[in-house]
Amino acid sequence: DAGVTQSPTHLIKTRGQQVTLRCSPKSGHDTVSWYQQALGQGPQFIFQYYEEEERQRGNFPDRFSGHQFPNYSSELNVNALLLGDSALYLCASSPRRGGVETQYFGPGTRLLVL
Amino acid sequence: KQEVTQIPAALSVPEGENLVLNCSFTDSAIYNLQWFRQDPGKGLTSLLLIQSSQREQTSGRLNASLDKSSGRSTLYIAASQPGDSATYLCAVRPPSGGSNYKLTFGKGTLLTVNP
Repeated sequence: DAGVTQSPTHLIKTRGQQVTLRCSPKSGHDTVSWYQQALGQGPQFIFQYYEEEERQRGNFPDRFSGHQFPNYSSELNVNALLLGDSALYLCASSPRRGGVETQYFGPGTRLLVL
Repeated sequence: KQEVTQIPAALSVPEGENLVLNCSFTDSAIYNLQWFRQDPGKGLTSLLLIQSSQREQTSGRLNASLDKSSGRSTLYIAASQPGDSATYLCAVRPPSGGSNYKLTFGKGTLLTVNP
């Protein structure tokens, strides 16, 4: 089991550009959550997807959008990049049946906006 | 709005010492609390998860306690080793549980264990 995988590992963009980050959940998991972690901060919840729909959203602007595919993998899109979007973006997967099982986090994508 | 605070922000100890990391949360209505470890520039590794009905969990040299009524948790690390050096994060999950996996994190405690 490969666990949660994310791509790319690192990315450099300039202000105003758009970026797409990708996540494949752990085998058997159908729910994907995205978090943004700025340097020296704890992760902040962006949104959660299951059944190919956004089910919950944190306090992030509409520039942040996502998608979930039938195979449960997910993309995070950020438009009109700002310098403040520079962060580690973490994906976490979990089973929607819920219960006591924890979320599993991927290694993250480090985004630098210049 | 749930807020999570971790004290201290950084801690440096000599190898072999026992240590305690603290986590507090403002809303005691939680489903569970989780402690994670994060190595520099890496993702999160789950260490211990305590359900709201539990008081503590243990794994090897790690012991986590939960006092939900006072909004506090501690992570105890026994006989610390240089390999324990990392940032330790605590996170709480909202009471709806079920398919609600939105975690609220603290800023973490940066632990350095010196040989």
